[in-house]
Amino acid sequence: SQTIHQWPATLVQPVGSPLSLECTVEGTSNPNLYWYRQAAGRGLQLLFYSVGIGQISSEVPQNLSASRPQDRQFILSSKKLLLSDSGFYLCASTLWKGGFAGELFFGEGSRLTVL
Amino acid sequence: DAKTTQPNSMESNEEEPVHLPCNHSTISGTDYIHWYRQLPSQGPEYVIHGLTSNVNNRMASLAIAEDRKSSTLILHRATLRDAAVYYCILSDIIQGAQKLVFGQGTRLTINP
Repeated sequence: SQTIHQWPATLVQPVGSPLSLECTVEGTSNPNLYWYRQAAGRGLQLLFYSVGIGQISSEVPQNLSASRPQDRQFILSSKKLLLSDSGFYLCASTLWKGGFAGELFFGEGSRLTVL
Repeated sequence: DAKTTQPNSMESNEEEPVHLPCNHSTISGTDYIHWYRQLPSQGPEYVIHGLTSNVNNRMASLAIAEDRKSSTLILHRATLRDAAVYYCILSDIIQGAQKLVFGQGTRLTINP
C-alpha cells in the first residue's frame, strides 16, 4: 500500500505571508496526486490534481498553486495567504489502472491557521 | 462532475446494522461508486467501492440498485468506532485522472 507524508502538520501564518505545504508518496510510482482542503465543519474541496510530473489541473480558481517537481512529490503554495485559506489540507494519491483507479490514500493532513 | 445526494446525518445504536443511503441519478455507465469515511481530525479512509454488483469486504457491504441510480452502504454491526462522516462518491475520469469529488457526506452517530 501507499504511504503519504505531509508536512508541516500544523502551521500558523499571518495574512499576506507565503505558504508551502509538501507531500511525498512512498510505495508506488507514477501515482495520480491530489490536494484537498477542508474548512472547519465542512466537506472536502478538491483543489488540484496531477497525473504526472509538471502536469497540474486546477479545480477552483484561487490564490493557491500546486507543483509536481518529482514523480512522488506534490507541493501546495501561495504567495500571499488570505484568512479564507485557513483549513485542513489533505494530500492524496491513487493509481490509474484503466477503468478503475484504485483506492485513494490520504496523508495525515496539514492544519493551516491564517491570522 | 457526477453528483451524489446523502442525508446530512443519521443515528443508530451500537451492535445494530446501519444502512446509509446514497442517490446518484446522473451516474454514467463507467462511474464507480466509492465510499469513504472520515474520523475527526483525520484524512478520509477508504471503505468500499463497486460498479454494478453488490460488494462485501471486512468493513462493510455495498448494495447497488439494479438501475445504479442509488446505493446503500451497510455496516452489519455498528460499533462506537464507526461514528464518522461517510462520503458516497462517483469517480469521474478526466484527462487521464480519476477525480473523486467529495460532497457533504452523512454524519453517523452511534449510541452506546
